[in-house]
Amino acid sequence: QSVLTQAPSASGTPGQNVTISCSGGSSNIGSRSVFWYQHLPGKAPKLLIRDNNQRPSGVPDRFSGSKSGTSASLAISGLRSEDEADYYCAVWDNTLAGRLFGGGTKLTVL
Amino acid sequence: EVQLLESGGGLVQPGGSLRLSCAVSGLFSAYSFNWVRQAPGKGLEWISSINGNSEYIYYADSVRGRFTISRDNAKKSLSLHMDSLRLEDTAIYYCTRELHEGFEYWGQGTLVTVSA
Repeated sequence: QSVLTQAPSASGTPGQNVTISCSGGSSNIGSRSVFWYQHLPGKAPKLLIRDNNQRPSGVPDRFSGSKSGTSASLAISGLRSEDEADYYCAVWDNTLAGRLFGGGTKLTVL
Repeated sequence: EVQLLESGGGLVQPGGSLRLSCAVSGLFSAYSFNWVRQAPGKGLEWISSINGNSEYIYYADSVRGRFTISRDNAKKSLSLHMDSLRLEDTAIYYCTRELHEGFEYWGQGTLVTVSA
């Protein structure tokens, strides 16, 4: 069981907006930057969002991140079939002195 | 272009040892590197990190005392020495280059299977 909590699954139809949440605590999300990764089957994970809400070069602006208190969210607007993947939040934990990944959310595009 | 290429995975018996390597093209010595794994049917799990001069090294509780991360800046190479391997260490192991806490570049991974 991960210290960072994500819903195991989410779904939407093409064109819809979807939000994936990540819940943590004061020693991680509450005091550190949150990162989001997209993991397609058979591929290497890809950094989607850095520092809570910054998109690395090349990431479409359909992807956005936010953070409030000890929770963070990844929003995907205008869902596309190629967005079907596993999404993970990640953050450093000051108490554990280590990096944490959320359990992952499997996004299905119906 | 930055590329990371892991090697050294394979089949090993419980209690055995294995050494993973990650060859990096592009800038190396200024960056921290990490190992992340994914067990079959499971999510991503951070394993270990090392900063540019090897001064700061961290491990997940699940591998501390059994795994050792190291780097050779001259050879632009990252290593993970794994001892006392357990069945639950079976996973794809990825090396990643870190920038300001984000894992911006990933290798394709190498599969480690621990089985009798």
